[in-house]
Amino acid sequence: EVQLVESGGGLVQPGGSLRLSCAASGFTFSSYWMHWVRQAPGKGLVWVSRINRDGSSTNYADSVKGRFTTSRDNAKNTLYLQMNSLRAEDTAVYYCARDLNAAAEYWGQGNLVTVSS
Amino acid sequence: QSALTQPASVSGSPGQSITISCTGTSSDVGAYNYVSWYQQHPGKAPKLMIYDVSNRPSGVSNRFSGSKSGNTASLTISGLQAEDEADYYCSSYTRSSTVVFGGGTKLTVL
Repeated sequence: EVQLVESGGGLVQPGGSLRLSCAASGFTFSSYWMHWVRQAPGKGLVWVSRINRDGSSTNYADSVKGRFTTSRDNAKNTLYLQMNSLRAEDTAVYYCARDLNAAAEYWGQGNLVTVSS
Repeated sequence: QSALTQPASVSGSPGQSITISCTGTSSDVGAYNYVSWYQQHPGKAPKLMIYDVSNRPSGVSNRFSGSKSGNTASLTISGLQAEDEADYYCSSYTRSSTVVFGGGTKLTVL
């Protein structure tokens, strides 16, 4: 069974940093591209980033480019999202997802990040 | 990276069919056959319902179907059931090698 479990969220002050993790199991992690998608409270889904199988290529939404970094450790079956210079508008539930032709096939349960003073 | 355009809400009675549209541009929906659709119930993670415009993942009911014409993709749900009441989102791969979502459509089953 495919499982994706996010962790690392919480409350952070504006301008602060946070690193989210996504532990994958039930499939060969190194064979799949992976996504991060976020959803602000009461709002719609917003794509954040995508990383290729070996971590050598990443793409980001304009709203996070230069502030967020996606990486992966295939030996640990774990995806990461390093978030720096956080803003109030980054407050959201963050989901990791397994890629299927640029779609998000399997999703984690989500992890809430709150940016507030 | 402007969001794809979806109607804010649609509704239908049990047993009826409804269609949700998703309008993009020649740089996203019109450029590739990488359009997908998601269902999200309140408080739950999204679920992939359609990928590659019209393909259904294993386990998704054949009451859900997708299509595309030009810059507009569509999701059709036939034989509406109460459990179909949810938010629906489309997404597309773009020429910038990014992904863009639609704003979401709330489906109400009357």
